[in-house]
Amino acid sequence: EDQVTQSPEALRLQEGESSSLNCSYTVSGLRGLFWYRQDPGKGPEFLFTLYSAGEEKEKERLKATLTKKESFLHITAPKPEDSATYLCAVQAQGGSEKLVFGKGTKLTVNP
Amino acid sequence: ETGVTQTPRHLVMGMTNKKSLKCEQHLGHNAMYWYKQSAKKPLELMFVYNFKEQTENNSVPSRFSPECPNSSHLFLHLHTLQPEDSALYLCASSHPGRQREKLFFGSGTQLSVL
Repeated sequence: EDQVTQSPEALRLQEGESSSLNCSYTVSGLRGLFWYRQDPGKGPEFLFTLYSAGEEKEKERLKATLTKKESFLHITAPKPEDSATYLCAVQAQGGSEKLVFGKGTKLTVNP
Repeated sequence: ETGVTQTPRHLVMGMTNKKSLKCEQHLGHNAMYWYKQSAKKPLELMFVYNFKEQTENNSVPSRFSPECPNSSHLFLHLHTLQPEDSALYLCASSHPGRQREKLFFGSGTQLSVL
């Protein structure tokens, strides 16, 4: 069974304090790994897709990396507006369009 | 604004009620999805529609009945729900091809079943 585990569950940072979020996964052949951001009262917002080990994607202060067992979302010099829940999901190879999500990491960045 | 609109934003219903959730997108997507987000649990896929045809049902109880009259609209009809069905119900849509994995979500309907 495909599984995604995110850690930590919650993370508090001071503005400017860089850190990383972890997403460990087990899947029967990875088709893609996805990162989404979810603000309170809203649906998830797409950030990145990673398809193969060694791949990296960047967007502003965020950088996502992928290995064969896990992905990291690095946050460099975060700002309060980066506060949100970050969700990781995987899609297995095959015909299903199902994304298997983790429970997320709730990030709070204090000014 | 993601281009995916869900109504109502909040819904309270009794176990014997019948209600419907509505989702609308004007992004030109041909795939639409229903997801369930419960407290302390991961997002769970419920249904997938491609070109108005249901292509996935993730073992969802029959008290949830989806309807997709066209590629822009998606409904979720609810009847005789249980308190454990209380959750945030999210609609999403996507482009065809490899971009299919990039989902555009609505803001959801927060459902409370009494």
